[in-house]
Amino acid sequence: SQQGEEDPQALSIQEGENATMNCSYKTSINNLQWYRQNSGRGLVHLILIRSNEREKHSGRLRVTLDTSKKSSSLLITASRAADTASYFCATARIGTSGSRLTFGEGTQLTVNP
Amino acid sequence: DTEVTQTPKHLVMGMTNKKSLKCEQHMGHRAMYWYKQKAKKPPELMFVYSYEKLSINESVPSRFSPECPNSSLLNLHLHALQPEDSALYLCASSLDGEQFFGPGTRLTVL
Repeated sequence: SQQGEEDPQALSIQEGENATMNCSYKTSINNLQWYRQNSGRGLVHLILIRSNEREKHSGRLRVTLDTSKKSSSLLITASRAADTASYFCATARIGTSGSRLTFGEGTQLTVNP
Repeated sequence: DTEVTQTPKHLVMGMTNKKSLKCEQHMGHRAMYWYKQKAKKPPELMFVYSYEKLSINESVPSRFSPECPNSSLLNLHLHALQPEDSALYLCASSLDGEQFFGPGTRLTVL
């Protein structure tokens, strides 16, 4: 089964509002990454948070990680219509074979102008 | 250069055709990946190359054959595919675990 589960599956908000997406996972990880995907195109890397970090910011993005609860959240502040996309969390386990990412099911965010 | 490129963008092939997908990166990353993504689903890992050697094969059918000619290039050779193989195929490369994805190849098998 997928390592990560995300909720909500879909989120619709008005421009200017904040959007929060949650991700839960099951096993130990080295880091957790968030990606954005527009309409079946490639994934855009948003932010990486390491297992020893609790919170990270990048522009309008804020990510938290709680390893005791095996959960993470992505907050997008002051949303814009251009933020409309699918958002995926991906847990990473790094070994000698490389970094193995396992994706959650994703959250479809719609920001209405 | 901070991007991963993939060609072609779109590919339509019959079940008897042989085709190849190409991926290129010039970021000096030593790990490269192939993922398959079906509509409205998350990407699923297919193969991992680490230092030009195949390190992970996620039990992918042999009709998909990966190749890493050098540290910048990754190919996926396709032969005798099935209609259910139609999907978006994504390539990625990584450094320190942070993976960067290309735009993908939209594959349709007729």
